[in-house]
Amino acid sequence: GAVVSQHPSWVICKSGTSVKIECRSLDFQATTMFWYRQFPKQSLMLMATSNEGSKATYEQGVEKDKFLINHASLTLSTLTVTSAHPEDSSFYICSASGQQGYEQYFGPGTRLTVT
Amino acid sequence: QKEVEQNSGPLSVPEGAIASLNCTYSDRGSQSFFWYRQYSGKSPELIMFIYSNGDKEDGRFTAQLNKASQYVSLLIRDSQPSDSATYLCAVNPSGTYKYIFGTGTRLKVLA
Repeated sequence: GAVVSQHPSWVICKSGTSVKIECRSLDFQATTMFWYRQFPKQSLMLMATSNEGSKATYEQGVEKDKFLINHASLTLSTLTVTSAHPEDSSFYICSASGQQGYEQYFGPGTRLTVT
Repeated sequence: QKEVEQNSGPLSVPEGAIASLNCTYSDRGSQSFFWYRQYSGKSPELIMFIYSNGDKEDGRFTAQLNKASQYVSLLIRDSQPSDSATYLCAVNPSGTYKYIFGTGTRLKVLA
């Protein structure tokens, strides 16, 4: 149980384009989903927290107009990186909570490369 | 600022030995504590969580929590080369669903 999927697993896009990443909880209802970013050899950085049906809460320094998060249902959250630039290239990972307690279950991640 | 600290390592142990990973946290009101394993290039995988003082065992893994001293540890018995990874400690501060992550300890199990 507690399986979280992400799609796509990797994506290459041109500078200035937008990219959408999907995060799904496959076997439980995720009341809260989290989006993280991780640069090579660094720790996870929380970008935002989202609850189903409400606006995401962004961490300090994260541009909400650039990283659009939608949590439309209890099993799906999306992150859209708008007008992507090379510095947005990173490993984006979602997690979902709601199975029980406060445990977060992570998706496999999406590796974004902006050229 | 709420912090979670881990020794970055690498911690090297021989195959079959016990690996001991430690984590300290600053928010005394923290309620939930988690250990994740992350292989290079992969996302974190939940290994253990612990909410109460004391020990919690699951297979080769034991999590230990001491709220008075504000530390949580992970013991890996009979360490295997496949256990070589970065181990992340995460703490759930009081009043929030978010985690504060430590920077991780890199474990190397030598065959």
